[in-house]
Amino acid sequence: KAGVTQTPRYLIKTRGQQVTLSCSPISGHRSVSWYQQTPGQGLQFLFEYFSETQRNKGNFPGRFSGRQFSNSRSEMNVSTLELGDSALYLCASSSDSLGARNEKLFFGSGTQLSVL
Amino acid sequence: GDSVTQMEGPVTLSEEAFLTINCTYTATGYPSLFWYVQYPGEGLQLLLKATKADDKGSNKGFEATYRKETTSFHLEKGSVQVSDSAVYFCALKLSRNEKLTFGTGTRLTIIP
Repeated sequence: KAGVTQTPRYLIKTRGQQVTLSCSPISGHRSVSWYQQTPGQGLQFLFEYFSETQRNKGNFPGRFSGRQFSNSRSEMNVSTLELGDSALYLCASSSDSLGARNEKLFFGSGTQLSVL
Repeated sequence: GDSVTQMEGPVTLSEEAFLTINCTYTATGYPSLFWYVQYPGEGLQLLLKATKADDKGSNKGFEATYRKETTSFHLEKGSVQVSDSAVYFCALKLSRNEKLTFGTGTRLTIIP
């Protein structure tokens, strides 16, 4: 079974641009979550999608948005990039088949975004 | 709100040393607790978990016990190896539709 796939692996953008990151979950997984990882803040939750609906949202500005398609693939978009958006963006999927609170998350290797 | 506090890193140990990484949590209910590990250049992997008080999670020689009275979930390993060098994250999840809340991570380096 293929793991969680994130593309691209690396991105370099300049301030003011926008960027779209992609995540393909493990086959059969319906829940996709996005996290921002920085050395100073650690892992910060962005949002979670389940069956094409946003189920949870973290405390990020509206410049950060996402969506999920019918095949469970997800995209994350950041508009008007700022220097502080430089981070590793991680996507995680889970089956959520039982809705259990001990559901295991499977993470991708992330997209390293650098904003210059 | 719910939060996780981990011991500050980085932690450097010699091979075969005993490891403890402290983790305490604050939560309004009874969360499930997790340890995730991130090897260089990779995403996070679940290392172990515990879902209720006094449960012990274990995997690959690592152990952690869910202590409700001290709100802790410390990670331990009796004899570390160079291959254990990674960043370790403690995390909690309160309920089905809640997000996973992570600590800031502890970087562990094992020297031969």
